[in-house]
Amino acid sequence: DGGITQSPKYLFRKEGQNVTLSCEQNLNHDAMYWYRQDPGQGLRLIYYSQIVNDFQKGDIAEGYSVSREKKESFPLTVTSAQKNPTAFYLCASSTRGGGAYNEQFFGPGTRLTVL
Amino acid sequence: RKEVEQDPGPFNVPEGATVAFNCTYSNSASQSFFWYRQDCRKEPKLLMSVYSSGNEDGRFTAQLNRASQYISLLIRDSKLSDSATYLCVAHQETSGSRLTFGEGTQLTVNP
Repeated sequence: DGGITQSPKYLFRKEGQNVTLSCEQNLNHDAMYWYRQDPGQGLRLIYYSQIVNDFQKGDIAEGYSVSREKKESFPLTVTSAQKNPTAFYLCASSTRGGGAYNEQFFGPGTRLTVL
Repeated sequence: RKEVEQDPGPFNVPEGATVAFNCTYSNSASQSFFWYRQDCRKEPKLLMSVYSSGNEDGRFTAQLNRASQYISLLIRDSKLSDSATYLCVAHQETSGSRLTFGEGTQLTVNP
């Protein structure tokens, strides 16, 4: 089945530790995205990538880093510089570029709790 | 001002009611719009796309008013299973594939 997988579903880390969240897709999508969602709030874009080996900062990139070495994979590292990392992290993918139809498909998310 | 703003909610309605959600967008370059549904502690899933003046799919109707920069979602004959958060989303083609999400409106349908 085609889709997006994120692992792990729940993640606990001590303050000051870096942590990497996994995102893999087999939809053959060029574009991939990372969002953060806090309780009662909408999705805020952290980073996005429209093609392999290229990515752009979103609205809240500080304290995060990404890589896009393979089309299928877009891991997100939450660094110790991120002041409030506890949140629900969602990865998504879509076909690339503009055009009217741009549905983003989401993975099941990772809930990160920093203790 | 946020690029996409929605009714703050929450909405609590009885089964069978008709409920409407409103959404406004500030970027006039936005060309296409979407409504996503998000169940509690789950990922968002596309409910409807809105490209021209509107779109209808069964009990769901989405309308777009470009002059007022306003989008709405109407749910008729609401079911218990409609309980979720509804996210209004805008797309500007100049931004490539990037979408802008509203904060969502929570709906609870009561028996």
